[in-house]
Amino acid sequence: QSVLTQPPSVSAAPGQKVTISCSGSSSNIGHTYVSWYQQLPGTAPKLLIYENNKRPSGIPDRFSGSKSGTSATLGITGLQTGDEADYYCGTWDSSLTTDVFGTGTKVTVV
Amino acid sequence: QVQLQESGPGLVKPSETLSLTCAVSGYSISSDFYWAWIRQPPGQGLECIGGMHHNGATYYTPSLKSRVSISIDTSKNQFSLKLTSVTAADTAVYYCAIRIPNLNWFDPWGQGTLVTVSS
Repeated sequence: QSVLTQPPSVSAAPGQKVTISCSGSSSNIGHTYVSWYQQLPGTAPKLLIYENNKRPSGIPDRFSGSKSGTSATLGITGLQTGDEADYYCGTWDSSLTTDVFGTGTKVTVV
Repeated sequence: QVQLQESGPGLVKPSETLSLTCAVSGYSISSDFYWAWIRQPPGQGLECIGGMHHNGATYYTPSLKSRVSISIDTSKNQFSLKLTSVTAADTAVYYCAIRIPNLNWFDPWGQGTLVTVSS
């Protein structure tokens, strides 16, 4: 079972905004950087956000990340049908001494 | 451009050893990265298995630590995963990935390979 908790699903209409929360503890999110991954159906995860709020080259600025205390948030604005995917947060847990991922959130464009 | 490609048997019998290899192109396996394995059971979330640096440093997730080993072959620019005494619970898509030390992100990932544990 994951030590990072995300909502199972979020949905919104095209063009709208969604936010995905990732709740952890002082031994993981509260201690170090958070990253986010997008997993389109049938494909490998892809890095979306790193070091809490930085976007790799090629990731549009519709995607944003933030961190406060022991929680992190991914925001997606201008929602598109191509954004329908599973999204995972990830970080290092200093107590478990391993990387941990969130439970995953399915984004649906309705 | 760096690419990772997993390979290995798609079917493993219960109690046997799962062995996978990740071929790396575009980067030297001696680069300052952790070479990592992550798995995803069908319909479930991601689980980090562990990683290895070329300097020999390794880390493994506690729940798998007694059964897993990761190794690096610098001559072939690839790294490998071995998971012993497998059960049906080890059925998953296995991904290899580059992990950046101290910065906690994985990029890029291989395309993944499905390993089914069944007799």
